[in-house]
Amino acid sequence: ETGVTQSPTHLIKTRGQQVTLRCSSQSGHNTVSWYQQALGQGPQFIFQYYREEENGRGNFPPRFSGLQFPNYSSELNVNALELDDSALYLCASSLGGKTEAFFGQGTRLTVV
Amino acid sequence: AQRVTQPEKLLSVFKGAPVELKCNYSYSGSPELFWYVQYSRQRLQLLLRHISRESIKGFTADLNKGETSFHLKKPFAQEEDSAMYYCALIRGTGNQFYFGTGTSLTVIP
Repeated sequence: ETGVTQSPTHLIKTRGQQVTLRCSSQSGHNTVSWYQQALGQGPQFIFQYYREEENGRGNFPPRFSGLQFPNYSSELNVNALELDDSALYLCASSLGGKTEAFFGQGTRLTVV
Repeated sequence: AQRVTQPEKLLSVFKGAPVELKCNYSYSGSPELFWYVQYSRQRLQLLLRHISRESIKGFTADLNKGETSFHLKKPFAQEEDSAMYYCALIRGTGNQFYFGTGTSLTVIP
């Protein structure tokens, strides 16, 4: 059984650019959630995908968008990057419902 | 709106001493509460959840609906308990977590 993997591990982008972060869910998991963790803060829920459909969204603007593929892997896209988007982005997969979520190691995004 | 509060950002205890990490929540419905832990250079992982009522690595947490608290306790702290601890809740269906800001626990040898 493989765990949740995210790529890349680190990324530096310029303000105004667009970025795509990737997540491979744990084998057999059909639900993927994305979180933003700013320095010194807890993870903040961005959105969740269940079987390729968005299944809930946190308080993030539309320039944060996502996608889930038939193999349940997922992408997080952020357009028009702002300096405040600099954070650790975490992906978590689960088997849906109120089950344990397994987290990836995160992608550290720095916007300059 | 749901909210999870962890009042202590930093907590230091001596090895063998009892430890309590505080967590308070606000949510109008019936939340499920969790504790997640992040050891140095490792990913976030589940420590325990209130519905399972189990003890993991000597840690326990009791949901107190009257005080809206879910404090994490261990009678005798060990050096390997040093880590970042996050209290979290999920609401309704699905498992969309709402995390507190975390408490960094240091166990002094």
